[in-house]
Amino acid sequence: KQEVTQIPAALSVPEGENLVLNCSFTDSAIYNLQWFRQDPGKGLTSLLLIQSSQREQTSGRLNASLDKSSGRSTLYIAASQPGDSATYLCAVRGYNQGGKLIFGQGTELSVKP
Amino acid sequence: DARVTQTPRHKVTEMGQEVTMRCQPILGHNTVFWYRQTMMQGLELLAYFRNRAPLDDSGMPKDRFSAEMPDATLATLKIQPSEPRDSAVYFCASGWAAGGGRSSYNEQFFGPGTRLTVL
Repeated sequence: KQEVTQIPAALSVPEGENLVLNCSFTDSAIYNLQWFRQDPGKGLTSLLLIQSSQREQTSGRLNASLDKSSGRSTLYIAASQPGDSATYLCAVRGYNQGGKLIFGQGTELSVKP
Repeated sequence: DARVTQTPRHKVTEMGQEVTMRCQPILGHNTVFWYRQTMMQGLELLAYFRNRAPLDDSGMPKDRFSAEMPDATLATLKIQPSEPRDSAVYFCASGWAAGGGRSSYNEQFFGPGTRLTVL
């Protein structure tokens, strides 16, 4: 059974800091991994998708890495801003789960001005 | 711009009533997913469709929930009868998956959700 864990559950940082969010998964047989952002009371916004053959993806100040063999992904946010405050969710899509996305519980990020 | 739409955005109903939630996937996408999000359980997959055919609905309570895709532009999730424990936010998502034994799946795009409260 695929289990996805995100650490930390919550994080508070001052504006301008670089930060790393962690995601681990138990079954390395994955198609891809997707990072999402969710603002309070809102839906999920896709940030980055990393295919299983890729090591990292970048979009603006965001960089996501994938180490499939160790079952880990990190989301790096450079020069954090108050507008980055949200919950960040990691989800993996595995061969053994019929292509379903399995989500972690999320990391709630607060960036203080 | 292309996005997944869901209606209604909010629904308050009484226990025992039927609830129908609707989703319009992004045009051209061939997979549709229904998720439920609660504080306790997080995001759970209820059902998903590929090319309008139901592939997996193992996450759904079969006695009261049903999901259908009458056509490629509409997916529905029904709860009958509704119960207070069904209160949650229900998300629809769509994406594209290529065929074959080991399919390739692209990004999933989520709708804004339907916030359901069953009194």
